[in-house]
Amino acid sequence: DTEVTQTPKHLVMGMTNKKSLKCEQHMGHRAMYWYKQKAKKPPELMFVYSYEKLSINESVPSRFSPECPNSSLLNLHLHALQPEDSALYLCASSQPTTGTEAFFGQGTRLTVV
Amino acid sequence: DAKTTQPPSMDCAEGRAANLPCNHSTISGNEYVYWYRQIHSQGPQYIIHGLKNNETNEMASLIITEDRKSSTLILPHATLRDTAVYYCIVRPRGATNKLIFGTGTLLAVQP
Repeated sequence: DTEVTQTPKHLVMGMTNKKSLKCEQHMGHRAMYWYKQKAKKPPELMFVYSYEKLSINESVPSRFSPECPNSSLLNLHLHALQPEDSALYLCASSQPTTGTEAFFGQGTRLTVV
Repeated sequence: DAKTTQPPSMDCAEGRAANLPCNHSTISGNEYVYWYRQIHSQGPQYIIHGLKNNETNEMASLIITEDRKSSTLILPHATLRDTAVYYCIVRPRGATNKLIFGTGTLLAVQP
């Protein structure tokens, strides 16, 4: 199983809503990532978890709150987002060492209204 | 972090080899070169990676120059389904596990 599963596939939320994005993998990977991708732009790294601990936060606003409850799950909690936060949110996983490949999910298309 | 430079777009005829270049002149000795591609509206897909030697798998070949300052991804027989944005990434060494995407090359395979 080389799959990273993201739910939901699409999400529309208001600026006052609280929602969560979910990511799951069963490859035994101990590094998990969140990326944000705007239209016609490359994915931008947001967070990296290594062994269930946050190891990298690329200066992401606090309205995005990541959580890694166990080695298979990664959540991204959303609160008080702005319309400019509308994007494709991608999750990925890998072993936490250089020289290994990362597997990406198909993403959650988020629209903030 | 080593930066990469890729042409913004390329065309290739179906059935011909697609050769996608990447410059990474500031690469460090222990940094790997990775290639990913992203078909429209899908998540990025791993293609291949290498350190010093040329590599080949069922999808593609990776040719790295001897000085490691550039590389070429070769898709031997391009099909319409290979139309995608191809990203060349130099992965920093150490425990940071960063995978930083540059602007990539949009490869359009023409029938």
